[in-house]
Amino acid sequence: ILNVEQSPQSLHVQEGDSTNFTCSFPSSNFYALHWYRWETAKSPEALFVMTLNGDEKKKGRISATLNTKEGYSYLYIKGSQPEDSATYLCAPNTGNQFYFGTGTSLTVIP
Amino acid sequence: DAGVIQSPRHEVTEMGQEVTLRCKPISGHDYLFWYRQTMMRGLELLIYFNNNVPIDDSGMPEDRFSAKMPNASFSTLKIQPSEPRDSAVYFCASIGGSGMNTEAFFGQGTRLTVV
Repeated sequence: ILNVEQSPQSLHVQEGDSTNFTCSFPSSNFYALHWYRWETAKSPEALFVMTLNGDEKKKGRISATLNTKEGYSYLYIKGSQPEDSATYLCAPNTGNQFYFGTGTSLTVIP
Repeated sequence: DAGVIQSPRHEVTEMGQEVTLRCKPISGHDYLFWYRQTMMRGLELLIYFNNNVPIDDSGMPEDRFSAKMPNASFSTLKIQPSEPRDSAVYFCASIGGSGMNTEAFFGQGTRLTVV
């Protein structure tokens, strides 16, 4: 089982604030890292899949970076909106193991 | 494609009964995953298949749990006998294309309650 750590566990921010959270994972045998957004009562939806060290991906106000050598990825949300409230999961994999972190729960207060 | 389809959406059963959860992956996807979501442990991988073959079942909690994938379009997760601590939401997900460097698509989940 991969040791995946996400921090913080939960986060409350005001609407308009920018925020970021971290996913840490073993750097050995790295293959790819996925970020998912999981709204309450729905199923997880993919945000990004990243494979290369130094990769940076962006979707609207959300972006992510990847450091495979030191084993971490950051997810950034610029100008948070209430609809960004969700749990954000990362899932690094080695190509034959695919495990999710416990997520960061984000609440954006209007 | 209708996406990953799970059935039933909700299941309430009595302790000791057999429960079967079903999943239809997206057509053409080679990987199928079963996850369990609980408040305590978040999203746990139970088992996954590649081309209908079980690859990693180390997350299956006990012998009461079993999973099969008889063909590329169908998988089952069976719990026999069920216990109250099995109550959780069970998700199925599939990946296609180039494998694990492409996104996973999740079903809507089956909420299992064992009383």
